[in-house]
Amino acid sequence: DQQVKQNSPSLSVQEGRISILNCDYTNSMFDYFLWYKKYPAEGPTFLISISSIKDKNEDGRFTVFLNKSAKHLSLHIVPSQPGDSAVYFCAASAMAGNTGKLIFGQGTTLQVKP
Amino acid sequence: EAGVAQSPRYKIIEKRQSVAFWCNPISGHATLYWYQQILGQGPKLLIQFQNNGVVDDSQLPKDRFSAERLKGVDSTLKIQPAKLEDSAVYLCASSLNPGVGETQYFGPGTRLLVL
Repeated sequence: DQQVKQNSPSLSVQEGRISILNCDYTNSMFDYFLWYKKYPAEGPTFLISISSIKDKNEDGRFTVFLNKSAKHLSLHIVPSQPGDSAVYFCAASAMAGNTGKLIFGQGTTLQVKP
Repeated sequence: EAGVAQSPRYKIIEKRQSVAFWCNPISGHATLYWYQQILGQGPKLLIQFQNNGVVDDSQLPKDRFSAERLKGVDSTLKIQPAKLEDSAVYLCASSLNPGVGETQYFGPGTRLLVL
């Protein structure tokens, strides 16, 4: 039962253009969402998050959008840089219980071409 | 600030053998997590510790996996006996406190191959 889904295994964009990574979830109890970035042979690193009380959160070149009615979130990277090439994981958590347990999607590999 | 340390980085064993992984979290972090990441999938939580107590081990295959954090600092994860399907990267993470909104910091992982 995949509660968090990233349906695009890979994405390729040109340097300077926008990268849009998508994520869908099924559990309506999820109310906090995160994006992690992972380089080869390294652990995931936190990138940006959003609470369900918001529909947008921005941090520099990175913006996360949340559509609660569609149970969908997306990560926008503008402008994309070659150093952004990595695997991006979407993750979700529920305030209820407040353990901080994360449910991850399968990941999307982003390649930014110079 | 030193990050989360894990060892070994790589391990190759035969099925039915045992293996152990070690994790040292960021200093002062009370919460420690072990995740399993199978190729092509996202990390899956195996067990979560708060200090030396278990918060969540609902997805830990307890017939073969065990974990401990005796002094509330470093932790070991053991598999005995290993199966082919245990081939994965085992990630350790830590956070200052448990709870939603607390950033989890990951170590580099231990890549296990079971032959």
